Amino acid sequence: GDSVTQMEGPVTLSEEAFLTINCTYTATGYPSLFWYVQYPGEGLQLLLKATKADDKGSNKGFEATYRKETTSFHLEKGSVQVSDSAVYFCALTRSGNTGKLIFGQGTTLQVKP
Amino acid sequence: DGGITQSPKYLFRKEGQNVTLSCEQNLNHDAMYWYRQDPGQGLRLIYYSQIVNDFQKGDIAEGYSVSREKKESFPLTVTSAQKNPTAFYLCASSEQGAHYGYTFGSGTRLTVV
Repeated sequence: GDSVTQMEGPVTLSEEAFLTINCTYTATGYPSLFWYVQYPGEGLQLLLKATKADDKGSNKGFEATYRKETTSFHLEKGSVQVSDSAVYFCALTRSGNTGKLIFGQGTTLQVKP
Repeated sequence: DGGITQSPKYLFRKEGQNVTLSCEQNLNHDAMYWYRQDPGQGLRLIYYSQIVNDFQKGDIAEGYSVSREKKESFPLTVTSAQKNPTAFYLCASSEQGAHYGYTFGSGTRLTVV
């Protein structure tokens, strides 16, 4: 079945460090891929998305490229800030156009000043 | 501005009581979803609805009930049969197929004492 695997957290970085959060997926067909961010006590917000192979989603300095050959959608940011501390979820649209998203387990990012 | 509203943000109930969580959207989305999130955990799907007057069980539907009488509204009732109801509940909506992802509400934190 369809699934999403994220690197385990927490990930702890110093301010201005380079961020990579790994996400790999298993799916049939051509799913759309997403990164969501959740700040403490809040709902999830869509951070970026990519709908076909080789697409690059980007927003607020974050980027992720849809790599079909490696079934990956790794999240990157060149210089993190304390305000980026949050939980990040990778997700994909489930096969068969059911409209359901499959979410990874989430990766907690802590950025220290 | 279009969005999805969950109310209340915090809810306290005594053990054995049913409680209903509200979710309203003005995005004209056909599909709506309820998720449960426990501390440090990912999202677990409770119920979803792809059209008015129709809904399906998710992965953890036992002890919960929903209705979808209007396109804009998808209330969740946590019944006394739910053994561990204390959690953070998230409502989301999407267009059919969810190709552009979900829009989430800000969540309701339910505490049962």
